[in-house]
Amino acid sequence: DAGVTQSPTHLIKTRGQQVTLRCSPKSGHDTVSWYQQALGQGPQFIFQYYEEEERQRGNFPDRFSGHQFPNYSSELNVNALLLGDSALYLCASSRDRNGELFFGEGSRLTVL
Amino acid sequence: AQSVAQPEDQVNVAEGNPLTVKCTYSVSGNPYLFWYVQYPNRGLQFLLKYITGDNLVKGSYGFEAEFNKSQTSFHLKKPSALVSDSALYFCAVRDLYGNNRLAFGKGNQVVVIP
Repeated sequence: DAGVTQSPTHLIKTRGQQVTLRCSPKSGHDTVSWYQQALGQGPQFIFQYYEEEERQRGNFPDRFSGHQFPNYSSELNVNALLLGDSALYLCASSRDRNGELFFGEGSRLTVL
Repeated sequence: AQSVAQPEDQVNVAEGNPLTVKCTYSVSGNPYLFWYVQYPNRGLQFLLKYITGDNLVKGSYGFEAEFNKSQTSFHLKKPSALVSDSALYFCAVRDLYGNNRLAFGKGNQVVVIP
């Protein structure tokens, strides 16, 4: 049983560019949450998707957007990248909106 | 807003000695508290959680945590540390909005010295 998988594992972008990160949830899970973990910090909640809609959103600007597909996989998009967007982006899935979170290994984004 | 604090940046402990990683919380209502561990270049792994019931919670890999309401603490403990326990440990609390929205502490680096 595959756990939460994320791609790509590492990527480098320049300021102003756009990036798309992808997440496949654990089998049987229908809810996906995204977190940003800056270097030396704890993860910060970005948003949560359930039934293909954004259900909760943290304190992140509109440059951060997402999508959930009918197969429950999800994408995180960040537009107009800033140096401060450099971080490890973690995807977590759960069986429902209150179930235990299972995290993927993350996508490390470096913005130059 | 719900929050947790991890007052120490790094915890050093000799292999075989007891390990304690501290966490205090600030919440409205009943706290839902979690501990996660992160190994280098890896995602977060769930260790244990407290929702209600016994104040001593047992989790994965021999870890346990003690919930103390009067001290608003949720310290992580292991009776005998292993070198392989060296990692980054995060305390977290479920946000007031629920729905698995967690607020994490800044993390504690644990170094177990052989």
